Amino acid sequence: GAVVSQHPSRVICKSGTSVKIECRSLDFQATTMFWYRQFPKKSLMLMATSNEGSKATYEQGVEKDKFLINHASLTLSTLTVTSAHPEDSSFYICSAEDHQSYNEQFFGPGTRLTVL
Amino acid sequence: GNSVTQMEGPVTLSEEAFLTINCTYTATGYPSLFWYVQYPGEGLQLLLKATKADDKGSNKGFEATYRKETTSFHLEKGSVQVSDSAVYFCALSERNAGNMLTFGGGTRLMVKP
Repeated sequence: GAVVSQHPSRVICKSGTSVKIECRSLDFQATTMFWYRQFPKKSLMLMATSNEGSKATYEQGVEKDKFLINHASLTLSTLTVTSAHPEDSSFYICSAEDHQSYNEQFFGPGTRLTVL
Repeated sequence: GNSVTQMEGPVTLSEEAFLTINCTYTATGYPSLFWYVQYPGEGLQLLLKATKADDKGSNKGFEATYRKETTSFHLEKGSVQVSDSAVYFCALSERNAGNMLTFGGGTRLMVKP
């Protein structure tokens, strides 16, 4: 099946710094990628839909200036958490939509962000 | 709007026991239904899916049948193993909603030897 990678898998940063998370579709092209946030023992919350070559669509309540999304190519989307604070600590998961597989979403392994 | 409700966990079973995790949904149209599994510290993996009513998805001994009349997609396995311990998410997507996935709250399964 299609493979999606995320980098880094874990990151620890100081409060006030910015962190960039990469999501790559390794063996297919993805015009649409999704970014989710998962709190401990909770379900996934969709943060935004990332479309290649255009602005991301953010879900209600998600600050677009804090969570910057760039989808510059058909295989890469990035999520930048700007001026991170401890409450941004979470597990961030991306998925990529494969049009060759009936638009099935394939998930990355996730990135655990810890803000000190 | 769309929503997915699944039984709260944790569900604790002994090895070789029968598993059922209930899932019901609310949708405006004709959704596709999915079960995803998340092992500790990892992302989600698609376990099985069904795209229309009465379809049965199956994989690795797990099964779920798309029941339109009861708006349900219950996950079953006849004999669980310790390696099945994970969190299971029921989800739906609709084409007219851009194929966005709506997830249930997740059910943690713990299988004891």
